[in-house]
Amino acid sequence: GENVEQHPSTLSVQEGDSAVIKCTYSDSASNYFPWYKQELGKRPQLIIDIRSNVGEKKDQRIAVTLNKTAKHFSLHITETQPEDSAVYFCAASPGANSKLTFGKGITLSVRP
Amino acid sequence: DGGITQSPKYLFRKEGQNVTLSCEQNLNHDAMYWYRQDPGQGLRLIYYSQIVNDFQKGDIAEGYSVSREKKESFPLTVTSAQKNPTAFYLCASSGWTGDTEAFFGQGTRLTVV
Repeated sequence: GENVEQHPSTLSVQEGDSAVIKCTYSDSASNYFPWYKQELGKRPQLIIDIRSNVGEKKDQRIAVTLNKTAKHFSLHITETQPEDSAVYFCAASPGANSKLTFGKGITLSVRP
Repeated sequence: DGGITQSPKYLFRKEGQNVTLSCEQNLNHDAMYWYRQDPGQGLRLIYYSQIVNDFQKGDIAEGYSVSREKKESFPLTVTSAQKNPTAFYLCASSGWTGDTEAFFGQGTRLTVV
């Protein structure tokens, strides 16, 4: 089955700097890669996703890039703000009739 | 107001007792999932169901059971066979395929004493 890994487990950045979170996956059949944000005490929520027919997707300060050859995808957050502090989960799925597999999550701390 | 609802938010049980966590959705989603969240362990899949009356084991199904008698409901029972049941449990739902957004409930924190 699919195996999704996230490294490192924690990341601390200064407010205003950029943050990059990387995930790797094992199943070459995976074609859907979402990112979820979980603020303290709240439920995970989708912030951006990408499909395998696209190399990059942007939404305001966040972007996701996908490298299918290397089997990794990354979340980029620019101009970080304190409210970006949260746990971020990446996930992968082969699509039809398949489940999402999540990584272990990374805790991002933005220092004011 | 559409969404996915878990109840209760906090649950306390004595060791050796079975306990059932509720999950209801009115999003007309075919697929429903149960995850367990422990510090540093991420989201680990317990069970999932893609259609009524059918469900599949996830990565950590031992000590848990589920049912899917209605599309809207996917209750999880934590049995006495689960060796370390104290955890935060999240329910989610999505479209039938695995490549659509998953919506999560607010979670149930189970404490077994």
